[in-house]
Amino acid sequence: DIQMTQSPSSLSASVGDRVTITCRASQDIRNDLGWYQQKPGKAPERLIYAASSLQSGVPSRFSGSGSGTEFTLTITSLQPEDSATYYCLQHSSYPYTFGQGTKLEIK
Amino acid sequence: DVQLVESGGGLVQPGGSLRLSCAASGFTFSSSPMSWVRQTAEKGLEWVSTISSSGGTTYYADSVKDRFTISRDNSKNALYLQMSSLRAEDTALYYCARVTTNYWGQGTLVTVSS
Repeated sequence: DIQMTQSPSSLSASVGDRVTITCRASQDIRNDLGWYQQKPGKAPERLIYAASSLQSGVPSRFSGSGSGTEFTLTITSLQPEDSATYYCLQHSSYPYTFGQGTKLEIK
Repeated sequence: DVQLVESGGGLVQPGGSLRLSCAASGFTFSSSPMSWVRQTAEKGLEWVSTISSSGGTTYYADSVKDRFTISRDNSKNALYLQMSSLRAEDTALYYCARVTTNYWGQGTLVTVSS
């Protein structure tokens, strides 16, 4: 099974900051990775697909990069509404696996 | 608009069974592989099972293999998850989703407790 190691598990940042979240896969998953944002009481919403493609309707301050085993989600110019938990998901092979999540707090 | 509406959750005793349903609309369901994903506060998001668009191929997490069965009825645009031999650790919010796009339901809560 492919393990997804996501870091950090939590972070606190200020409006306007740039933040980076990382997911590391235990084996090569090409670019079969998505990034999701989840707010309390809501279903996850995909921000990034194929590691670096922005989902339609998602603000351009969100970006993804990486391939193989190392992936990053970057949020530039942090906004109050970005307070949420973020997850990566690999769908390269079964069983699909999520990262452990990163809880982002806006100071 | 795409809609996925789950139903069938509830309180069940350990060892019991439950069948979840998901009604899909707004996209070509019969061409879509579909999944169940569950979530707990302790474990976060956990992929449970996926079924191919035709229903001919299924995949399961080890944690539910031989206890859960995923199925679909393309004539009804419906996805199902038959859960048996339920355990306390199966307590979670269960989402119906097409995870390789951005289609998610709002979830149905399953509580396994005596």
